[in-house]
Amino acid sequence: QSVLTQPPSVSGAPGQRVTISCTGSSSNIGAGFDVHWYQQLPGTAPKLLIYRNSNRPSGVPDRFSGSKSGTSASLAITGLQAEDEADYYCQSYDNRLTGSGLFGGGTKLTVV
Amino acid sequence: EVQLVETGGGLIQPGGSLTLSCAASGFSVSSNYMIWVRQAPGKGLEWVSLIYSGGVTYYTESVKGRFSISRDSAKNTMYLQMNSLRAEDTAVYYCARGEFSTYDEYYFHYWGQGTLVTVSS
Repeated sequence: QSVLTQPPSVSGAPGQRVTISCTGSSSNIGAGFDVHWYQQLPGTAPKLLIYRNSNRPSGVPDRFSGSKSGTSASLAITGLQAEDEADYYCQSYDNRLTGSGLFGGGTKLTVV
Repeated sequence: EVQLVETGGGLIQPGGSLTLSCAASGFSVSSNYMIWVRQAPGKGLEWVSLIYSGGVTYYTESVKGRFSISRDSAKNTMYLQMNSLRAEDTAVYYCARGEFSTYDEYYFHYWGQGTLVTVSS
């Protein structure tokens, strides 16, 4: 069970807006550590989607946005497209644990 | 251009050993924070081991004493030596380069394509 909690699945219709939550605690997100998001298409390596809470790497559409508040963070996807169907993972740091590779359990986004 | 290529995966019997390699190009492995992340079939991402640019290493609890991370600056390659392999080590293993975020936190922009390790008799 991950220290960062994500919903196992979310879904939305093309064109809609969906959000994926990442809930932590006072030792990770709540302590002020950054949250990063990854998209993993089937059979491929994870791809960095959002870094440092709300920043998009070059090439990531502005349909993807990130935010953080208190002990939680969210990834929002607007104008949902079929190709957005993937697994999404949040990542942060926990001052009680070793290593930056603290990933959430992942959320499967289905475009219905 | 930054590139990471993992090799060395395969089918191995329980109790066996395997060494994974992560060959880098476009940057120096020895000057960067590097990590091994694995993904069991149908499961999420799990960090396995990491090495700081200064050489300090860490391991997730389930692999301590069995896995060893290292790097070769001349070959610009990172390794993961895996001993006493168990069925639960079956996963795709990815290497990634860390980008500094804040304090002691890194995120991962560059990933390899992954290499599959299957532990089974």
